[in-house]
Parts: sequence; C-alpha cells; structure tokens
Amino acid sequence: AQSVTQLGSHVSVSEGALVLLRCNYSSSVPPYLFWYVQYPNQGLQLLLKYTSAATLVKGINGFEAEFKKSETSFHLTKPSAHMSDAAEYFCAVTESGQAGTALIFGKGTTLSVSS
Amino acid sequence: NAGVMQNPRHLVRRRGQEARLRCSPVKGHSHVYWYRQLPEEGLKFMVYLQKENIIDESGMPKERFSAEFPKEGPSILRIQQVVRGDSAAYFCASSGQARDEQFFGPGTRLTVL
Repeated sequence: AQSVTQLGSHVSVSEGALVLLRCNYSSSVPPYLFWYVQYPNQGLQLLLKYTSAATLVKGINGFEAEFKKSETSFHLTKPSAHMSDAAEYFCAVTESGQAGTALIFGKGTTLSVSS
Repeated sequence: NAGVMQNPRHLVRRRGQEARLRCSPVKGHSHVYWYRQLPEEGLKFMVYLQKENIIDESGMPKERFSAEFPKEGPSILRIQQVVRGDSAAYFCASSGQARDEQFFGPGTRLTVL
C-alpha cells in the first residue's frame, strides 16, 4: 500500500529564507505525487504535481519539487519565503499509482514565516 | 469559471440527527471524491464516485455513512445518527476525464453537539 511521510510537523523560517518541506513516499509502482497548500479554514489548493514527466516540477507561487526515485522523496522548496506562505502543506500520492484513484495524504507540515 | 462548491460551509447537528453535505463539482467534471479531516490528523479518503456509480468506498465507515452522485444535481454525503466523533471538516474534490488532478472545495465543517 502507498504511504506518505512528511518529516517535521512544524517548520519555521524567516522571511527571505529558503523553504524546505520534506516528503517521502512508499510506492510499489511509479507514483503520481502532489503538494497541496491549505490556508486556515479553507480548502486545499494544488501547488504542483508529478506525473512521470520531468523530475523537477515547478508550481505556483515560486514553489518547486524534485522527484528522486532513488530516495523515494518529493521535497518541496522555495528559494525565498514570503509572509503569505504561512500555511499548512500536504504531500499526497495516488493510492494505486494510477491517475484518478484516491489520494493518500501525509499528516501535513505547518509552515511559519517570521519577519 | 466556478470551482468546486460545497454547502453548507458550517453545519451544526445534535447527536442522533442526520447530516447532509452537498458538493457541486467543477463544471464538466464527472469524478467526485470525499475526504475527511479530523482534528490533529491529515486528510483521509472516504469515497470515490462517478456519475451514478460508486467506484471506491474503501474509506467509508461501514455504518451510518452513505454517498451518492446522481445523474443530475450535486453529490451528497449523508451521515445518519451523528455522533460527536463525526465532528470534522469534510472536503469534496472533483476531476475531469484525465483524472490527473483533483480540485478541492472549501469544505463543510460539521460540529456535533
């Protein structure tokens, strides 16, 4: 069965600093991988997705993630944090490695940005 | 270009009552997914529906919970005889034919008194 582990339930950075949110997955088949962001009392917004094309995926708001099969990782990065990036971030993988199946989510990482 | 709509946004029920949560997918999307977010937990898959069919209900509790996605109208998640443990945020997502991306609604926050 697929699973997702997000290392660090809470990450704090200063404005302008590098953001690194870690995600490792367990999958017996080539996965579809996603990063979502959730602001308080709102739904989830897709930041980016990996669907077996380029291993370096660029998303919205300056975020990007690199798929590393050898490390089973899909870490999310942003070169320079902004106050508006403070939110909860979820890494997800499709249940069966196929498009359209249920998403398996990590427990989430709360990002705090200080001025 | 409306996204996924969910209503109500907030729902308060007393123990034993029924809760009905509605989800209108993105226009043209025929795949709907329901997820539940419990306090201090991540999102958990509940059910996946296509028009008039339940495709995968492996995440649905065996009792009191049901879902439908009729040919016309929104998808509905129904919880009968609610208990306090049902208090959570319930999110609906939809996808189009390619099914390579799920678009999420704003959620319904259910509180059971």
